[in-house]
Amino acid sequence: QVQLQQSGPRLVKPSQTLSLTCAISGDSVSRNTAAWNWIRQSPSRGLEWLGRTYYRSKWYNDYAVSVKSRITINADTSKNQVSLDLNFVTPEDAAVYYCAGGFALDPWGQGTLVTVSS
Amino acid sequence: DIVMTQSPDSLAVSLGERATINCKSSQNILSSDKQCLTWFQQKPGQPPKLLIYWASTRESGVPDRFSGSGSGTDFTLTISSLQAEDVAVYYCQQHYSTPLTFGGGTKVEIK
Repeated sequence: QVQLQQSGPRLVKPSQTLSLTCAISGDSVSRNTAAWNWIRQSPSRGLEWLGRTYYRSKWYNDYAVSVKSRITINADTSKNQVSLDLNFVTPEDAAVYYCAGGFALDPWGQGTLVTVSS
Repeated sequence: DIVMTQSPDSLAVSLGERATINCKSSQNILSSDKQCLTWFQQKPGQPPKLLIYWASTRESGVPDRFSGSGSGTDFTLTISSLQAEDVAVYYCQQHYSTPLTFGGGTKVEIK
């Protein structure tokens, strides 16, 4: 059974970087049919897919245009986890952030409520 | 981007009655003879839970009162006999192309 455990700070100052990690158990981050996504949810934006990483002989990334200039998703094979960095955050980036596996988004991490405030 | 439009925004159904949720994609989401459409259930304080994938395949452990149907651009999630534990928000989502996109959600309540 694949499980995803998220960690990271819940309070980020405006203009700083939001950084979250998603530890994977029961699967390999580099399995060549897997994909690892980051999604956020807020009352104003609903569920918004941010991007994903996957390994097919090399690492690939897809990002949403809305955050493409500010986002980085990386895989750490030594820790079997994926990370999200979102730079230059504003209050509009406040949301519950989720990691999710697969192309059809299953399973999901528990979610991290991130507040953007000084 | 593919826009996913759900209707209604909310519905109230009596226990044991049928609930029907609609989802329309702005373009065809068929790939390799499979509809790239997923249904999720979300309860307060929890992440979305996968119910149905490939538009009509029930995830393991999901009660058979949940069913999905549809093709082309029109899809439906049906709860055949609403139970109290089905109170939740339901979302459709396409994974045909990036960005992956979600419907706005349908809140199901007990009448």
